[in-house]
Amino acid sequence: DAGVIQSPRHEVTEMGQEVTLRCKPISGHNSLFWYRQTMMRGLELLIYFNNNVPIDDSGMPEDRFSAKMPNASFSTLKIQPSEPRDSAVYFCASAVTEAFFGQGTRLTVV
Amino acid sequence: DAKTTQPTSMDCAEGRAANLPCNHSTISGNEYVYWYRQIHSQGPQYIIHGLKNNETNEMASLIITEDRKSSTLILPHATLRDTAVYYCIVRRDPFNDYKLSFGAGTTVTVRA
Repeated sequence: DAGVIQSPRHEVTEMGQEVTLRCKPISGHNSLFWYRQTMMRGLELLIYFNNNVPIDDSGMPEDRFSAKMPNASFSTLKIQPSEPRDSAVYFCASAVTEAFFGQGTRLTVV
Repeated sequence: DAKTTQPTSMDCAEGRAANLPCNHSTISGNEYVYWYRQIHSQGPQYIIHGLKNNETNEMASLIITEDRKSSTLILPHATLRDTAVYYCIVRRDPFNDYKLSFGAGTTVTVRA
């Protein structure tokens, strides 16, 4: 298996633009997570899906953030409109028991 | 979840064993000790976990004290590629607790 695949690896966008981050989990994994990592706040859980259903979105910072999982092999994290403070590395992870993380998307909002 | 305390940083020599301590004095009976690491510019990587007994896999060994209030992750023969931030996390079993709460971790630098 290729592991958790995230795209793009790097994204630079202007403030106010919509940003969509993509994740393909490991086949057979029934849990999917989106994390955000910054120097100030470390790794933070944004949202957790189980069997494609959002179970816990309490970590989503505000309404500008939304996540979907239309099927077991794909998830998106969307930020609309983006702001400079959203600049961070966003990780997707999938799990049956132990979580396996993707390589992350480094987002820069200018 | 119980809180963990780890040293901020530590150095170790290449080829030697690296012993990474973690304190979790408020751990409860149904909580596991997990270790992840994050190599620069990569996503976190699962290393090992345990409940009461010591555990070993191809990457590392985990030694948990009898009172379970602390543990040590052992990298038996550290290499330069083991330079990373190591996170000690306490959580309930993965079937009942999906959350992984990452603290600041220990920055381990392996030196030639």
